[in-house]
Amino acid sequence: QKEVEQNSGPLSVPEGAIASLNCTYSDRGSQSFFWYRQYSGKSPELIMFIYSNGDKEDGRFTAQLNKASQYVSLLIRDSQPSDSATYLCAVNAGGTSYGKLTFGQGTILTVHP
Amino acid sequence: DAGITQSPRHKVTETGTPVTLRCHQTENHRYMYWYRQDPGHGLRLIHYSYGVKDTDKGEVSDGYSVSRSKTEDFLLTLESATSSQTSVYFCAISEAGGGYEQYFGPGTRLTVT
Repeated sequence: QKEVEQNSGPLSVPEGAIASLNCTYSDRGSQSFFWYRQYSGKSPELIMFIYSNGDKEDGRFTAQLNKASQYVSLLIRDSQPSDSATYLCAVNAGGTSYGKLTFGQGTILTVHP
Repeated sequence: DAGITQSPRHKVTETGTPVTLRCHQTENHRYMYWYRQDPGHGLRLIHYSYGVKDTDKGEVSDGYSVSRSKTEDFLLTLESATSSQTSVYFCAISEAGGGYEQYFGPGTRLTVT
């Protein structure tokens, strides 16, 4: 079983729609959760992080965490063509002092006009 | 990528030669990481550092060594490059370990022929 799994995609949504990206993790002791965006040929860019159960909103982005279900998601409202990228979910397991992140494989999102 | 540079950005080398990649940061962050990114494997941690001269192995450390003699520089050395080390290498920094967010450099594309 992979430690961090993302919906395989690719995901295609029309401009203006809500894009929903999902991630599950296997380590129940995980403490911190991150979403990165990666454009083709570029480095991962941090867009959201969440530590507590519930929702966290930042502009058009909302991260949702449910530790009981070991599930974290990212919602992108009013999707724009510029949101087209690969989205990486990363999880930091509790008890690691150096901040080891385990990444999912990524979900490719395409927003079409 | 602000505050993090990697050099070289592209390199082609032959099997069996040593290669050193450099990561330089101007953020004075304590933690530095080396990842490789490959299709089908996502981002995987090679080595990390939690201070000057303090380093440890990640999940794919075989064939790699690292050094950190100054806070701002973290070097990754491929002792004898192999074709399986053809990859994109990313450096990341973090202000603290644990659950703190990591920020990535622009990456180095390495091809071993």
